[in-house]
Amino acid sequence: DTGVSQDPRHKITKRGQNVTFRCDPISEHNRLYWYRQTLGQGPEFLTYFQNEAQLEKSRLLSDRFSAERPKGSFSTLEIQRTEQGDSAMYLCASSGTGKNGYTFGSGTRLTVV
Amino acid sequence: KNQVEQSPQSLIILEGKNCTLQCNYTVSPFSNLRWYKQDTGRGPVSLTIMTFSENTKSNGRYTATLDADTKQSSLHITASQLSDSASYICVVSPSYGNNRLAFGKGNQVVVIP
Repeated sequence: DTGVSQDPRHKITKRGQNVTFRCDPISEHNRLYWYRQTLGQGPEFLTYFQNEAQLEKSRLLSDRFSAERPKGSFSTLEIQRTEQGDSAMYLCASSGTGKNGYTFGSGTRLTVV
Repeated sequence: KNQVEQSPQSLIILEGKNCTLQCNYTVSPFSNLRWYKQDTGRGPVSLTIMTFSENTKSNGRYTATLDADTKQSSLHITASQLSDSASYICVVSPSYGNNRLAFGKGNQVVVIP
């Protein structure tokens, strides 16, 4: 599989619990992005990695959110003390050095109850 | 104000009919404009990518046009099929970086038999 993989596809959690999502980008892509998307809206930028370096974080990424890409390959997004407002689709995308290749994963649907 | 505005927000069309979706943007200068198709509960999938110097790009029954002077793009769907029911998202990439894509909210298309 040469696409962007995200795991899990769906996650239901109780408010206050911590959750962690994983993204495996296309292997030759050095850039990795996390987005959040709510119903009827376009994706909103959360954070961006180039290799293992986290180069940019959106103001949407509160202190309860943390993302890592320890070896410049897969990435994890952790949400601590989840709130109902965190319910959304979390999308990962990756790209190479060229501007054309930008591929999204299928997303992780988070529901906080 | 969103840098990418799409219209109509939603539309219902009969199977076999054509439809045209509009995208107006203010991002300038920009590197490329992309149209993505997003099925419910899935990640966006790229349909077309156009640089600022391209006027049209086709992908099967999907044809995108771009007028960089008026900052408008359209996506035309020919002979719609039930599987075309999805959200179509217009995305503009600024020239100054690949990590700050500007997303529209999407055109929600429902094709009915």
